[in-house]
Amino acid sequence: DADVTQTPRNRITKTGKRIMLECSQTKGHDRMYWYRQDPGLGLRLIYYSFDVKDINKGEISDGYSVSRQAQAKFSLSLESAIPNQTALYFCATSDLGHQETQYFGPGTRLLVL
Amino acid sequence: KNEVEQSPQNLTAQEGEFITINCSYSVGISALHWLQQHPGGGIVSLFMLSSGKKKHGRLIATINIQEKHSSLHITASHPRDSAVYICAGYTQGGSEKLVFGKGTKLTVNP
Repeated sequence: DADVTQTPRNRITKTGKRIMLECSQTKGHDRMYWYRQDPGLGLRLIYYSFDVKDINKGEISDGYSVSRQAQAKFSLSLESAIPNQTALYFCATSDLGHQETQYFGPGTRLLVL
Repeated sequence: KNEVEQSPQNLTAQEGEFITINCSYSVGISALHWLQQHPGGGIVSLFMLSSGKKKHGRLIATINIQEKHSSLHITASHPRDSAVYICAGYTQGGSEKLVFGKGTKLTVNP
């Protein structure tokens, strides 16, 4: 089984709808991240969490919120989806420590109509 | 501003060729992460390095701290190496985060 899983893998929704993307990990890592990937722009950090009680905004957090329900679970919500949030979303984890390798989930393709 | 730039953006090679992908980074980046993104979208870590050189199979990554430059080399390239290769830098100063390059799309033809 994969160490980092994301659900759903694909989602089509309409403008204005609330969407939740979920991420679970079995690696026992403290640090979790949400990124989005757009063609030609590379990956950009949305939110990150260094432990259950620590949530931080990344460079593009507007329009998104997160919840760290447990060490193993980190959810990303789009409160009111808009078309420019159409992208590929990745969750990642890393161990507590200095510049540890990040492990990525398989990604969620989101299309907002 | 912390920045990571990759070149080339696209690269096409014939099977067996030696491949080099370059990454330059700004002051404030303390370590580099090389990642591979498969055509299906999945991302895997290849190397994390802050000095010297690392090798895994046909892949070699080097970093020159003084020049703020890193390279990823692929020896004896194969069509299965076709993927997007991403360089990402860890920022210094407490909250360690990755700053990503835009990726290099490699196509290896048989």
